[in-house]
Amino acid sequence: RKEVEQDPGPFNVPEGATVAFNCTYSNSASQSFFWYRQDCRKEPKLLMSVYSSGNEDGRFTAQLNRASQYISLLIRDSKLSDSATYLCVVNNDMRFGAGTRLTVKP
Amino acid sequence: DAGVTQSPTHLIKTRGQQVTLRCSPKSGHDTVSWYQQALGQGPQFIFQYYEEEERQRGNFPDRFSGHQFPNYSSELNVNALLLGDSALYLCASSLFRGEAFFGQGTRLTVV
Repeated sequence: RKEVEQDPGPFNVPEGATVAFNCTYSNSASQSFFWYRQDCRKEPKLLMSVYSSGNEDGRFTAQLNRASQYISLLIRDSKLSDSATYLCVVNNDMRFGAGTRLTVKP
Repeated sequence: DAGVTQSPTHLIKTRGQQVTLRCSPKSGHDTVSWYQQALGQGPQFIFQYYEEEERQRGNFPDRFSGHQFPNYSSELNVNALLLGDSALYLCASSLFRGEAFFGQGTRLTVV
């Protein structure tokens, strides 16, 4: 089993749709989790941290499920500008998932 | 405040050569991690430096080595380059186990 696994994607959704990504991790002792966004041929940029109680930032909601060892990212009311690759990171191990590509279409 | 800076931005090397990539972390950060990203793949963790020591290492051969200096800047060295080493090399800085900020990367092409 890979240390960090993500939904393979790609996800192609219309504008306004709600889309969710999951990411599972293998190290039960992991403590810190993040979602990053990477645009084509650019570096990854921090989208949001994932807290135990779950957290929301505008249209984005991140959740952590320690029992099942996964984190999720929910994007509501998708915009064209949300098109990117979304990467989950388990920071103790500094491991990235392979990324899930999202394309939001008009 | 300068973010993470990497140099050079692009590099072409011949198979068998050696290369050194450089990274200056974001001000106040003490941890530097290096990643290799092939086209269409997620970043693969190479290693992490904290307090001038390699703290964690991914599944990369010994041809990949690094160093961290007292000012927290870091170098990635790759010896005996292979064609398969062609990739985007990303440096990320953070406080230990904190959120990471990335440089723009060095695109290495091995011919």
